Amino acid sequence: QKEVEQDPGPLSVPEGAIVSLNCTYSNSAFQYFMWYRQYSRKGPELLMYTYSSGNKEDGRFTAQVDKSSKYISLFIRDSQPSDSATYLCAMKNFNKFYFGSGTKLNVKP
Amino acid sequence: SQTIHQWPATLVQPVGSPLSLECTVEGTSNPNLYWYRQAAGRGLQLLFYSVGIGQISSEVPQNLSASRPQDRQFILSSKKLLLSDSGFYLCAWTVGTGDGYTFGSGTRLTVV
Repeated sequence: QKEVEQDPGPLSVPEGAIVSLNCTYSNSAFQYFMWYRQYSRKGPELLMYTYSSGNKEDGRFTAQVDKSSKYISLFIRDSQPSDSATYLCAMKNFNKFYFGSGTKLNVKP
Repeated sequence: SQTIHQWPATLVQPVGSPLSLECTVEGTSNPNLYWYRQAAGRGLQLLFYSVGIGQISSEVPQNLSASRPQDRQFILSSKKLLLSDSGFYLCAWTVGTGDGYTFGSGTRLTVV
């Protein structure tokens, strides 16, 4: 079993839709949870970073962590064509990171 | 401000040739440095990480090696490239245990 599972998509939505991206994990020792956005042929950029269970909001983005279910989500409100990218979830335990394989999102104008 | 530089952006190399990719970090001291490889349509594979000068940990056995000659410099090398070494190579850094990664812009390596 992989440490982190993420649906690869692709996920195609119309502009303005609410997008839900999800990851599950198996290691209850993970302490930090992140979402990265990666445009084609670019390095990933950190979008959201959370430590505890619950929700964290930043503009149109909301990260949700449920440690009891070992499940994290990223919600994008009012999605824009510029949100089209691959979204990677990541989890951290001490100095080691574990990444999902990424979900490709396409927001159609 | 803190920045990370990675070069070259694109590289095409013949099988059996050597490789040297360089990554430097500015605006911070004693960062943790990482080399990742991302194959097409696949996730990130950790290759090497370093918590200090001369300290290298290898995650995956391969014909690649890494060195950290200076605090903010991380080099990925190979003596003889294989076709399977093709991929997107990313350098990243963190400071401390409570940080997310900051990634470089990546090097797309094609071995022909």
